[in-house]
Amino acid sequence: VIWMTQSPSLLSASTGDRVTISCRVSQGVSSYLAWYQQKPGKAPELLIYAASTLQSGVPSRFSGSGSGTDFTLTISFLQSEDFAIYYCQQYYLFPPTFGPGTKVDIK
Amino acid sequence: QVQLVQSGAEVKKPGSSVKVSCKASGGTFSSYAISWVRQAPGQGLEWMGGIIPMFGTSNYAQRFQGRVTITADESTSTAYMELSSLRSEDTAVYYCAETIVATDTRYYMDVWGKGTPVTVSS
Repeated sequence: VIWMTQSPSLLSASTGDRVTISCRVSQGVSSYLAWYQQKPGKAPELLIYAASTLQSGVPSRFSGSGSGTDFTLTISFLQSEDFAIYYCQQYYLFPPTFGPGTKVDIK
Repeated sequence: QVQLVQSGAEVKKPGSSVKVSCKASGGTFSSYAISWVRQAPGQGLEWMGGIIPMFGTSNYAQRFQGRVTITADESTSTAYMELSSLRSEDTAVYYCAETIVATDTRYYMDVWGKGTPVTVSS
């Protein structure tokens, strides 16, 4: 069984801040990691895949890094529309599994 | 760009089954995979299973094996997820998602449907 953790679970920030979310996986997953954003009452949206590849249409203020067991999602200049929950997902081992999520809210 | 339209909300009794549909438009239905992911109230995301319509092959997370069946009808570009022996813990929003197959069974989800709420209650 592969375990995924995210930290922090809650991040309070202001518009314009640079924020960093961590995702840790219990086993190495190479770069098979994706990040999603979910707003209240909405479906998740893919932000990043292959650990660092920005999905088409996603603003460049989002970036991902890492490989193996430790990954990071960075939002370089937080905008009002970025307040949401962020999930990481590994797809190296079957079945694909998600982290518990990080909520980014307004400070 | 693929768009996925899911069927409407369902209320079911414990022990019964539910079948949720997901109709795709745009793109070529048989050329990509479809996953089903659920989210219980206030909880995170859980991948249940997926299908590649071109091959007609489905695979499932072990915890749902034997209780979930995912099928696809290429003639109508519609995927289905049927969950049986429902219990209260199955109350959740069920999402279908266009799924990118990186290799073999390495999946991440690209375009998502809006979700179908399923409530299981006596």
